[in-house]
Amino acid sequence: AQSVAQPEDQVNVAEGNPLTVKCTYSVSGNPYLFWYVQYPNRGLQFLLKYITGDNLVKGSYGFEAEFNKSQTSFHLKKPSALVSDSALYFCAVRDWAGKLIFGQGTELSVKP
Amino acid sequence: DAGVTQSPTHLIKTRGQQVTLRCSPKSGHDTVSWYQQALGQGPQFIFQYYEEEERQRGNFPDRFSGHQFPNYSSELNVNALLLGDSALYLCASSRRDRGTEAFFGQGTRLTVV
Repeated sequence: AQSVAQPEDQVNVAEGNPLTVKCTYSVSGNPYLFWYVQYPNRGLQFLLKYITGDNLVKGSYGFEAEFNKSQTSFHLKKPSALVSDSALYFCAVRDWAGKLIFGQGTELSVKP
Repeated sequence: DAGVTQSPTHLIKTRGQQVTLRCSPKSGHDTVSWYQQALGQGPQFIFQYYEEEERQRGNFPDRFSGHQFPNYSSELNVNALLLGDSALYLCASSRRDRGTEAFFGQGTRLTVV
């Protein structure tokens, strides 16, 4: 069965510092991986995806993610965090039929 | 493009009642999926509709049912509501191509009392 794990419930970062939100996956076959962000009482917003190609994927709002097949990881990164990046972040894998399987989420807190 | 729209945004129901939630997909999308997000958890897949048929179903009881209309919009129905059904219900639309991303609506917050 396919699954996604986000090992950190919360990540705290100072504004201007780099941030990393971790994600590991378990799939059979080639993974289709996604990152979404959720602000309070809102739906999910798409940030970026990895389907194939370059291991470093660039997405919205300055975010990027690094796909590492040997470590089965897909960590979300940003070189310089903003206070407005504070939100709940979800990693997901998409199965063959289109279902998204989400991790438990990581709450990112960026302090001034 | 209005994106994915859901209605209503908030809803309060009593145990045992029935509820219908609605979703209009993003323009150009033909596949609609529904997710339940309990407080503090990641979204859980309920089911997916394509060409007006349920194509895939998650681990939810038969009290949860749905429908997709010819214009690709969709409804989620929940019968015999339980307190545990209180959650944010999210609709996601996408194209059938597995590599495309899904777009989510703002959700419907259902509270069962």
